[in-house]
Amino acid sequence: QKEVEQDPGPLSVPEGAIVSLNCTYSNSAFQYFMWYRQYSRKGPELLMYTYSSGNKEDGRFTAQVDKSSKYISLFIRDSQPSDSATYLCAIGSGSARQLTFGSGTQLTVLP
Amino acid sequence: NAGVTQTPKFQVLKTGQSMTLQCAQDMNHNSMYWYRQDPGMGLRLIYYSASEGTTDKGEVPNGYNVSRLNKREFSLRLESAAPSQTSVYFCATQVAGGTGELFFGEGSRLTVL
Repeated sequence: QKEVEQDPGPLSVPEGAIVSLNCTYSNSAFQYFMWYRQYSRKGPELLMYTYSSGNKEDGRFTAQVDKSSKYISLFIRDSQPSDSATYLCAIGSGSARQLTFGSGTQLTVLP
Repeated sequence: NAGVTQTPKFQVLKTGQSMTLQCAQDMNHNSMYWYRQDPGMGLRLIYYSASEGTTDKGEVPNGYNVSRLNKREFSLRLESAAPSQTSVYFCATQVAGGTGELFFGEGSRLTVL
């Protein structure tokens, strides 16, 4: 079993839809929960970061962590074609050498 | 301000050939990383360097060597390329403290025939 599982999709939604992206993890020692966004033929960029259980909101994006269920989510409200990208969850503890990435979910938002 | 620069962007090798991927950063970060990205596998850590003069193995180091030439530069060498090393390679640097955010280059796409 992988330490971090992420549904690879692809996921296709109409513009304006609410998108839900999810990851599960197995190691209860994980402390940091991140979402990176990767546009085609580009490197990943940090989108959201959180330490704790609960919700963190940034504009149209909400990151949700449920440590008891070892489950994290990223919600995108009012999705736009510019949100079309691959979204990678990244979970870890300590420094980045202990950061484990999910396989990524490819999202397409149709105009 | 270029951030993290990787060269070359594309490369085709034959099995058994050697090559070096170069990475340079102007962000003044101490920590640098090399990842590979394969379909369905996510990003996997090959090697990292916490500071100039130090390097450590990551999850998938076999078949690779690295050199931290100075604070700015971190190179990845394939001594005898194999088809299994066909991948997209990303170099990243890490901000110290805070979020520990990783900053990635645009990637180097390597095909081994």
